[in-house]
Amino acid sequence: NAGVTQTPKFRVLKTGQSMTLLCAQDMNHEYMYWYRQDPGMGLRLIHYSVGEGTTAKGEVPDGYNVSRLKKQNFLLGLESAAPSQTSVYFCASSLMQLSNQPQHFGDGTRLSIL
Amino acid sequence: DAKTTQPNSMESNEEEPVHLPCNHSTISGTDYIHWYRQLPSQGPEYVIHGLTSNVNNRMASLAIAEDRKSSTLILHRATLRDAAVYYCILREGAQKLVFGQGTRLTINP
Repeated sequence: NAGVTQTPKFRVLKTGQSMTLLCAQDMNHEYMYWYRQDPGMGLRLIHYSVGEGTTAKGEVPDGYNVSRLKKQNFLLGLESAAPSQTSVYFCASSLMQLSNQPQHFGDGTRLSIL
Repeated sequence: DAKTTQPNSMESNEEEPVHLPCNHSTISGTDYIHWYRQLPSQGPEYVIHGLTSNVNNRMASLAIAEDRKSSTLILHRATLRDAAVYYCILREGAQKLVFGQGTRLTINP
């Protein structure tokens, strides 16, 4: 099983450029999440989705947009990249809305903004 | 948000047990205690979770204090592959996994 797959794995952008990070899960999970992790820090939640067609803001949503057009995919967009968005981005999914459900993570996208 | 406190780092030897502590004195009655770990250059990996009773799985054991204000993740026989950052997290519904700094575990051969 692939689990949670993130593309691309690495990317370098110039300030002001835009890009979309793709997350795909094959576990039929309802919930999907985007986190960012800065050096030496824990993960911080950017946006999340509780089902197809829904999105909600997390802890650090500014500068990002998301879409969940299909249940298996969750897209994270940067409209105008800034150096402060240099980070490692992780996508995760979980089965349902219960506190005892684990989240399954992808291996991350390493994004550098010059 | 209910918070957790973990030591910044711990060190152990290969094939010995490891006890990773976590304090969560403001835990609410409905908070599950989750543990994740993050190996270098990888995404976090679920380890174990519990509510009130001690829990065991193939990876580890979770011992929860009777008052639920602290818990301990137990790796029964550490290997070099267990070297990672371990996060103790109180799960507040589906929207949030609030990650702290975690404990960086070093395993000596």
